[in-house]
Amino acid sequence: SQQGEEDPQALSIQEGENATMNCSYKTSINNLQWYRQNSGRGLVHLILIRSNEREKHSGRLRVTLDTSKKSSSLLITASRAADTASYFCATAPNDYKLSFGAGTTVTVRA
Amino acid sequence: GAVVSQHPSRVICKSGTSVKIECRSLDFQATTMFWYRQFPKQSLMLMATSNEGSKATYEQGVEKDKFLINHASLTLSTLTVTSAHPEDSSFYICSAQHGGVGQPQHFGDGTRLSIL
Repeated sequence: SQQGEEDPQALSIQEGENATMNCSYKTSINNLQWYRQNSGRGLVHLILIRSNEREKHSGRLRVTLDTSKKSSSLLITASRAADTASYFCATAPNDYKLSFGAGTTVTVRA
Repeated sequence: GAVVSQHPSRVICKSGTSVKIECRSLDFQATTMFWYRQFPKQSLMLMATSNEGSKATYEQGVEKDKFLINHASLTLSTLTVTSAHPEDSSFYICSAQHGGVGQPQHFGDGTRLSIL
């Protein structure tokens, strides 16, 4: 069953703006991961944040994790047209299997 | 690094045909490979997990006789959809992982399977 739920389902922004999406999950986790999927392609791993971390940065990406609220957020700063994709959070509760959320579809308008 | 190649990218075939999809880790040894199915505008659903040299572990509701998985080496896993029917049409994605629990998965580009 799906563990994570992303919010919003879809997001449309102007190039240069920031995009924020949220993920909520249900059970305890070892880590939470964010992936990007371009249309018709596989997933690309973006960032992994461990349960004892609160914030992590990678280039224009910033991820936060609040284990007390069982939620995470992904911020993409200064968005570009190439950031247009679907973004999924995935959690690994207590084993190696990832459970993916439904995803947020981001459209960056030029 | 961490490149996973999935082949073919697209298959169109008649009902009753068996289709084999290959997943290769090109520059690392994958201790575990995963097979997912994705319906349009939906998330990935895990079908099965395979470790090199052992039988795959299938998720509940996935027919092991329908979806045959072979993981013969640390760099290759195959998924065979046997006697495919239109309802098997979907986007199938593999991923490979090295190092066990907590490590990222590296995904292939997926296979679009269309059964006529």
